[in-house]
Amino acid sequence: NAGVTQTPKFQVLKTGQSMTLQCAQDMNHNSMYWYRQDPGMGLRLIYYSASEGTTDKGEVPNGYNVSRLNKREFSLRLESAAPSQTSVYFCASSEEAVVFAQGSPLHFGNGTRLTVT
Amino acid sequence: EDQVTQSPEALRLQEGESSSLNCSYTVSGLRGLFWYRQDPGKGPEFLFTLYSAGEEKEKERLKATLTKKESFLHITAPKPEDSATYLCAASGSARQLTFGSGTQLTVLP
Repeated sequence: NAGVTQTPKFQVLKTGQSMTLQCAQDMNHNSMYWYRQDPGMGLRLIYYSASEGTTDKGEVPNGYNVSRLNKREFSLRLESAAPSQTSVYFCASSEEAVVFAQGSPLHFGNGTRLTVT
Repeated sequence: EDQVTQSPEALRLQEGESSSLNCSYTVSGLRGLFWYRQDPGKGPEFLFTLYSAGEEKEKERLKATLTKKESFLHITAPKPEDSATYLCAASGSARQLTFGSGTQLTVLP
């Protein structure tokens, strides 16, 4: 079982460049999420998609856009990268959205390590 | 605002030396308290969900407990392979999931 797959694993960008982080899950989950993880801070939610066709902002959405391409795939786009976006980005999925249900556990990918110079 | 605080930030144990990790939470209307394990270079891996004070769950050498203000992750006779960062997260009536910053556990052989 692949679970949640993220590409690329590593990326270096220059300030102002754009890129898209890809995420796919094979567990038939309804909800998908994008988090960032920075040293000394907890995981912070960027955007989520409670179900196919819907997306909503999380705690730190500025500078990002998302697309729920289908039930399996959820991409994160940085239109104009900034050094403050240097981070590790995790995609996750769950059977139901935390927002709407008791809170089924999240299943995470192995992350994309992004450096913006 | 929901808050989750984990302590200590780092913990070094000798193999076989039992200890506990703490997760203090301030969350209105707790809907679930989650524990995850994160290995270096990997994403968090789900361990437990606790829903109400007094609840306990066990998995191998790990036992998670919950009170109205805290959760503890007890590690009994740890082995080097238990070395990882342990994250807790709480979901409340605000309908969001708040993560703590984690406890980095190192178990020395």
